[in-house]
Amino acid sequence: GAVVSQHPSWVICKSGTSVKIECRSLDFQATTMFWYRQFPKQSLMLMATSNEGSKATYEQGVEKDKFLINHASLTLSTLTVTSAHPEDSSFYICSRHEAGKETDTQYFGPGTRLTVL
Amino acid sequence: GQNIDQPTEMTATEGAIVQINCTYQTSGFNGLFWYQQHAGEAPTFLSYNVLDGLEEKGRFSSFLSRSKGYSYLLLKELQMKDSASYLCAVMDSNYQLIWGAGTKLIIKP
Repeated sequence: GAVVSQHPSWVICKSGTSVKIECRSLDFQATTMFWYRQFPKQSLMLMATSNEGSKATYEQGVEKDKFLINHASLTLSTLTVTSAHPEDSSFYICSRHEAGKETDTQYFGPGTRLTVL
Repeated sequence: GQNIDQPTEMTATEGAIVQINCTYQTSGFNGLFWYQQHAGEAPTFLSYNVLDGLEEKGRFSSFLSRSKGYSYLLLKELQMKDSASYLCAVMDSNYQLIWGAGTKLIIKP
């Protein structure tokens, strides 16, 4: 079954409003979670690394003040798109990482489709 | 429940051909994706199939049979740089992505 959930699964909002997306690790306490965005039929673009109890690490070109990330607990990270505009419409996917003995595994959430009118 | 199955690991030889299978059981179907992911990097989009049949893109091809809930990714003329994890993901009726656990492909000289 799913090990990472996201809420909401889809959201439509007006331009200028803020939208919060939740990402939950269902079976594992994740100190690190990742946020991606994806445009249709394109690769996932890493936006930021969410660190529990500390500030997120943003990728180059991603506006920290626009995409607010909070990782207040080991099972929940939130991404808030502030003052959303139509160009922010995208598919947002979170993931968590699990280190294994021989190989690491990344578990992806089902995604949140954001449409900004 | 919803489920995506793909082999955990495969090994192949440089220059050869390898087929990575993916079977799925989901509530509805709005397409199947294949991604390539190198360690420490974000997944790279490889293909999207929504209709039955084979789609070829250079050395990579992807096949879909909706009636069988089955897809495969075919990699030809394998190169060492093809060593990576290959993720199969299905978009269900709610346009949510259901992810497979990934297949780690090891290429040997």
